[in-house]
Amino acid sequence: SYVLTQPPSVSVAPGKTARITCGGNNIGSKSVHWYQQKPGQAPVLVIYYDSDRPSGIPERFSGSNSGNTATLTISRVEAGDEADYYCQVWDSSSDKVFGGGTKLTVL
Amino acid sequence: EVQLLESGGGLVQPGGSLRLSCAASGFTFSSYAMSWVRQAPGKGLEWVSAISGSGGSTYYADSVKGRFTISRDNSKNTLYLQMNSLRAEDTAVYYCAKEGGPRPGTTEGERPFDYWGQGTLVTVSS
Repeated sequence: SYVLTQPPSVSVAPGKTARITCGGNNIGSKSVHWYQQKPGQAPVLVIYYDSDRPSGIPERFSGSNSGNTATLTISRVEAGDEADYYCQVWDSSSDKVFGGGTKLTVL
Repeated sequence: EVQLLESGGGLVQPGGSLRLSCAASGFTFSSYAMSWVRQAPGKGLEWVSAISGSGGSTYYADSVKGRFTISRDNSKNTLYLQMNSLRAEDTAVYYCAKEGGPRPGTTEGERPFDYWGQGTLVTVSS
């Protein structure tokens, strides 16, 4: 089965840049989607197809994908960005797969 | 405005059954594949099952294959998940999620989950 690996936690000071990685075998050949989930709420799509942003998502959120690592980058981090972030791909043998999630803490 | 409203969760004994529903509005329901995604308490997201827009194709995670059945009624704009032989490890919040539209050069399975419901809690315990 296909496995996506995320760091359990990332910490960043307000105004700085946070980078959350998602590792997988040749993930660069797949389409990666990213979701933000705040406590007690449903997930929200923040990046799709590696680097596209849905309407309503700030330009501070961006994504990239190459080789064995996809990255969600949040620039000029705000307190309101504190949340869990999940990457997700589709794999022909495993179907839809989520990473384990990364808790973003704003210091 | 897209809205997804789950219902049917609750407390059930191990080995029991439960049927979840997801009422959809704000989009042409029959044009989009739908999925169920669950989240055990304090854990991450786990995809459970998906169904094509017509209902003709269904997909399941290995963890629920043979026990859960996904279906939809396009005349009622409603998605269902019939859960049988429930186990303690099925305890979770169950979300229904709408899959995005087609994108040139990508397969149907690659579409993101662009809208989610608020979830319904299923607790399997004696």
